[in-house]
Amino acid sequence: DAGVIQSPRHEVTEMGQEVTLRCKPISGHDYLFWYRQTMMRGLELLIYFNNNVPIDDSGMPEDRFSAKMPNASFSTLKIQPSEPRDSAVYFCASSTRLAGGPGTGELFFGEGSRLTVL
Amino acid sequence: EDQVTQSPEALRLQEGESSSLNCSYTVSGLRGLFWYRQDPGKGPEFLFTLYSAGEEKEKERLKATLTKKESFLHITAPKPEDSATYLCAVLYSGGYQKVTFGTGTKLQVIP
Repeated sequence: DAGVIQSPRHEVTEMGQEVTLRCKPISGHDYLFWYRQTMMRGLELLIYFNNNVPIDDSGMPEDRFSAKMPNASFSTLKIQPSEPRDSAVYFCASSTRLAGGPGTGELFFGEGSRLTVL
Repeated sequence: EDQVTQSPEALRLQEGESSSLNCSYTVSGLRGLFWYRQDPGKGPEFLFTLYSAGEEKEKERLKATLTKKESFLHITAPKPEDSATYLCAVLYSGGYQKVTFGTGTKLQVIP
């Protein structure tokens, strides 16, 4: 399997522009997570899906952020309008197991999308 | 409120100089504690899961241990290729499927 695939790897945009980040999870994984990583705050969970349904979006910072998962093989994270403080590396991760049992919690991460908002 | 705290923030070792990284947690109802390795420009890569106090896991030069309040990642005779950021994360009863990460320890091993 190719692993979790994210695009674009790098995005530079100007404040106020719309940004769309994309993710293809590992086939067969029914959990998908979006994280944001900064030097100051580390990895923060933004939202996660189970079987394409958003389960918890409490980490989404503002209404400017939205995420969708139209099918099991694709998810998007959209920022509109973007602001300089949104600059970070955004990771998508997928997982196949429910919490609490053997092997749970192992997340498979993509290589991230580095976003710079000028 | 910090739920997962890692120390030190950075660690520089000579090749062969063993040491330990610490991860302390304040969550209740721990369901799992995880260690990940992250190389520059890459996503985190899973290393270990620990479920209960007293449990230990080993992989090559790495050994992870767990108590009721903290976990240690012991690195024995490290090599330069062990240089990376090591992340600790927890899954707990109140967090459902949310895996909460610490900010990591950046390890540099000097030849």
